Amino acid sequence: QKEVEQDPGPLSVPEGAIVSLNCTYSNSAFQYFMWYRQYSRKGPELLMYTYSSGNKEDGRFTAQVDKSSKYISLFIRDSQPSDSATYLCATMEYGNKLVFGAGTILRVKS
Amino acid sequence: NAGVTQTPKFQVLKTGQSMTLQCAQDMNHNSMYWYRQDPGMGLRLIYYSASEGTTDKGEVPNGYNVSRLNKREFSLRLESAAPSQTSVYFCASSEGQGHAQPQHFGDGTRLSIL
Repeated sequence: QKEVEQDPGPLSVPEGAIVSLNCTYSNSAFQYFMWYRQYSRKGPELLMYTYSSGNKEDGRFTAQVDKSSKYISLFIRDSQPSDSATYLCATMEYGNKLVFGAGTILRVKS
Repeated sequence: NAGVTQTPKFQVLKTGQSMTLQCAQDMNHNSMYWYRQDPGMGLRLIYYSASEGTTDKGEVPNGYNVSRLNKREFSLRLESAAPSQTSVYFCASSEGQGHAQPQHFGDGTRLSIL
């Protein structure tokens, strides 16, 4: 079993839709949670970074962590064609290495 | 602001050839990392360097060597390339010596081994 599971998609939505991207993880020691966005033929760029449980909002993006169910979510409001990319969740425990999900491909249609 | 720069962007090798991938960062970061990205596998850590002068193995180190040349530069070497090493290679850096710091990535080197 992979330490971080992520549905690969692709997820296709119309412009303006609310998008929900999700990951599950197996190690209860994970404390740090990140979402990276990766455009085609580019490197991942950090989108959201949270510590422990709870929500974090940044513009149209909200990251949510539920440690009790080992579930990580990223919500995108008012999705735009420019949001079309692969979204990678990542997590780790302090002092250890980042573990990435395989990524979800998102396509926002105009 | 360049961030993390990787060279070359593309390379095709024959089985058994050697190759060094270069990475440089201009953010004065202490830690640097090499990953490979394969379809359906996500990013997997090959080697990392917590600080200048130190290197450690990651999840998939076999067939690779690294050199932390100075604080800015971290190179990845394939001594005898194999088709299984066909992948996209990413270099990353982070500010702190621990892995809790967010990592910043370059745009990758696409490597094909025939």
